[in-house]
Amino acid sequence: GNSVTQMEGPVTLSEEAFLTINCTYTATGYPSLFWYVQYPGEGLQLLLKATKADDKGSNKGFEATYRKETTSFHLEKGSVQVSDSAVYFCALSGGSGGNEKLTFGTGTRLTIIP
Amino acid sequence: GAVVSQHPSRVICKSGTSVKIECRSLDFQATTMFWYRQFPKQSLMLMATSNEGSKATYEQGVEKDKFLINHASLTLSTLTVTSAHPEDSSFYICSAGQGSQPQHFGDGTRLSIL
Repeated sequence: GNSVTQMEGPVTLSEEAFLTINCTYTATGYPSLFWYVQYPGEGLQLLLKATKADDKGSNKGFEATYRKETTSFHLEKGSVQVSDSAVYFCALSGGSGGNEKLTFGTGTRLTIIP
Repeated sequence: GAVVSQHPSRVICKSGTSVKIECRSLDFQATTMFWYRQFPKQSLMLMATSNEGSKATYEQGVEKDKFLINHASLTLSTLTVTSAHPEDSSFYICSAGQGSQPQHFGDGTRLSIL
């Protein structure tokens, strides 16, 4: 079955530091890949997505590239801000549509200190 | 703005009470809604997939009679936790999907059973 392995946290960085959160996956076929962000006490918000190999998703300075050869979708940001403090989830689904169930990684808690 | 509304955001009730949680898609018709459960500092666990007008599909290990799901319209799905006990205390999150668009998540319901 499908699975997502995500870098364990918590991760604590200083403001303006470079961020990488690793994510690898196991899936049959050609899954779509997602990063979701969860702020305290809230639901999940889609941060970015990629639906095929070599696609790069980007949003709010965050980027992730769909690497089929390494089955990875690492999240990166060049300069983090305090407001980026949240929990980040890597996820995959069998297709890109909203009717496909998602498989999530365990989440990585990110704390940015001023 | 929010496209999926989940209500209530927080419930505290006595053991043995049944609790209903609503999930509404605000500006689109959701052919599929998903219900997740999240334990503290853990990932989301899919409980069931709900398709409008048909019975929900439950994941392995989720009690159908305990967690009743109804998806009577394209904009509303409900999760009822029947005869709730302290071990049912958790954060419940719904998501709604439509066609090729990614799922949108509600803000979650924190359920505390005393």
